[in-house]
Amino acid sequence: DAGVIQSPRHEVTEMGQEVTLRCKPISGHDYLFWYRQTMMRGLELLIYFNNNVPIDDSGMPEDRFSAKMPNASFSTLKIQPSEPRDSAVYFCASSLLTGGLSGELFFGEGSRLTVL
Amino acid sequence: AQKITQTQPGMFVQEKEAVTLDCTYDTSDQSYGLFWYKQPSSGEMIFLIYQGSYDEQNATEGRYSLNFQKARKSANLVISASQLGDSAMYFCAMREGENRDDKIIFGKGTRLHILP
Repeated sequence: DAGVIQSPRHEVTEMGQEVTLRCKPISGHDYLFWYRQTMMRGLELLIYFNNNVPIDDSGMPEDRFSAKMPNASFSTLKIQPSEPRDSAVYFCASSLLTGGLSGELFFGEGSRLTVL
Repeated sequence: AQKITQTQPGMFVQEKEAVTLDCTYDTSDQSYGLFWYKQPSSGEMIFLIYQGSYDEQNATEGRYSLNFQKARKSANLVISASQLGDSAMYFCAMREGENRDDKIIFGKGTRLHILP
């Protein structure tokens, strides 16, 4: 069974450009998370979805960031316009929350974004 | 306020020795879950072990065990007989569930170096 698939793996863009990161969660998982990892701030939760519905987007840094999950098998994280401080590794993760609180996160390989 | 605290930014340990990585957490929920992840230099996030707040036994997975002290809100990871391949960043994480929030947040991590 395929894991979480993210694309692109690497993105280099110039300040002001629009960036779209994509994620395909594991089939059947009902939660999808977007995290950002930087040296200074560690792993920050940006937003997460349950059954395609955004539950908490309080971690989205500003209005330049938006995320969608149009169906159970696809999510996007968009940055428009991008800035150098957005440079980071963006991880998508999915999980299946059963009756209890187990349900570890399965991470994609990450999308490394560099904004010049 | 930090919900997950990992006080050891870096550790150096001799190969074959046991390692304890510290993690303390803050929650007012009675029901929650604690996770440990490993991130090698290649960047992927690897799930290691899970402990539920109602689990009476400490979780174990091979060479990994979780020293869960609920009253102290401590969930330390113990790696027995360390190996060179254990060199990596280690993250402690928590999912709070009393209010079905289901958010998973991470500590800042501990970088473990295993010395030959």
